[in-house]
Amino acid sequence: DGGITQSPKYLFRKEGQNVTLSCEQNLNHDAMYWYRQDPGQGLRLIYYSQIVNDFQKGDIAEGYSVSREKKESFPLTVTSAQKNPTAFYLCASSMGGLHTGELFFGEGSRLTVL
Amino acid sequence: GQQLNQSPQSMFIQEGEDVSMNCTSSSIFNTWLWYKQDPGEGPVLLIALYKAGELTSNGRLTAQFGITRKDSFLNISASIPSDVGIYFCAGQPQGAQKLVFGQGTRLTINP
Repeated sequence: DGGITQSPKYLFRKEGQNVTLSCEQNLNHDAMYWYRQDPGQGLRLIYYSQIVNDFQKGDIAEGYSVSREKKESFPLTVTSAQKNPTAFYLCASSMGGLHTGELFFGEGSRLTVL
Repeated sequence: GQQLNQSPQSMFIQEGEDVSMNCTSSSIFNTWLWYKQDPGEGPVLLIALYKAGELTSNGRLTAQFGITRKDSFLNISASIPSDVGIYFCAGQPQGAQKLVFGQGTRLTINP
């Protein structure tokens, strides 16, 4: 079945360590996104990519990095520069164009920094 | 950045009641969408709206794209226990490639 897969679902790390969250999709979607969700909050955009080998900063990109070397993959690295990394991270993809807003989300990765 | 005002923030209702929630913006949006998120999961798209005045249904759900292009509402009729969750509105501003999300409406249903 087509879908979007995030891993790991739960991750614990010590302060100061970099962490990479995986996101893979087999929907043949051009656009991919990373969102951060804090308790009781909406979704805030970290980075997005509309095409392979290209990506743009979202509203809260500081302390994060991404790459888009393959259409199917859009990994997110949470660096030690991110001041408050504990959060629920959601990856999404869309066809782009007129259907840009129709996002398919993964199940999320919950990162806890100890 | 642009913001959406979504209300109410939370609702506590009895099973079988109808539900209404809405989102407003200070600027014009080209697209309005409604998503539902179950606990610990990613949001799922419920309804997408592309034209001002458009009224669209999906089963017991009905959503409308406001005529001013600055608001949208979602109604749920005859609520059932599986309707519990957080509902998010999202909009695509004119000329933008990314969405803006509301803060969410948390729906709790008493059986």
